[in-house]
Amino acid sequence: AQSVTQLGSHVSVSEGALVLLRCNYSSSVPPYLFWYVQYPNQGLQLLLKYTSAATLVKGINGFEAEFKKSETSFHLTKPSAHMSDAAEYFCAVIGGNNNDMRFGAGTRLTVKP
Amino acid sequence: ETGVTQSPTHLIKTRGQQVTLRCSSQSGHNTVSWYQQALGQGPQFIFQYYREEENGRGNFPPRFSGLQFPNYSSELNVNALELDDSALYLCASSLASGHQETQYFGPGTRLLVL
Repeated sequence: AQSVTQLGSHVSVSEGALVLLRCNYSSSVPPYLFWYVQYPNQGLQLLLKYTSAATLVKGINGFEAEFKKSETSFHLTKPSAHMSDAAEYFCAVIGGNNNDMRFGAGTRLTVKP
Repeated sequence: ETGVTQSPTHLIKTRGQQVTLRCSSQSGHNTVSWYQQALGQGPQFIFQYYREEENGRGNFPPRFSGLQFPNYSSELNVNALELDDSALYLCASSLASGHQETQYFGPGTRLLVL
């Protein structure tokens, strides 16, 4: 069965600094990987997804993630944090015969002025 | 284009009761997935419906059941509510049931079981 682990339940950066949110996956089949963002009292919004095409995936709001099979990682980055990036971020994986999308526990991003 | 909508937004029930949550898919989407998100945790997959048939189920007991209607809207029913069922219930729709399909989430229904 597939799973993801998000390293760091809380990340704090200064405005303008690099954002790095870590995600490692486990899957016995080629995975599809996703990053979602959740703002308070809202549902989840897709930032980007990896579907076995390019390993470097560009998403919305300046975010991107790189699929590294050798490291089983799919870390999310953004060169320059903005105050509006403060939210909860979830990494997710889906694969195999089931349609069970597995989410990580989430990383809360705080952006300091 | 209307996004995914869910009703009600909030609900309070007592232990042992039954609850029905509703979801309207985004226009043109034939697949709906339901998730439970407990406080401080990531969403957990309950089940998926594709063209009115269950198309995958997570590790939830049978008292969690669902329906999908011809217009692709969906219901989640939970019987014999337990305190641990208190959570945000999210519905997501997608164009099809493939793994690569983007799921579009609604704002959720927050259920409190007392």
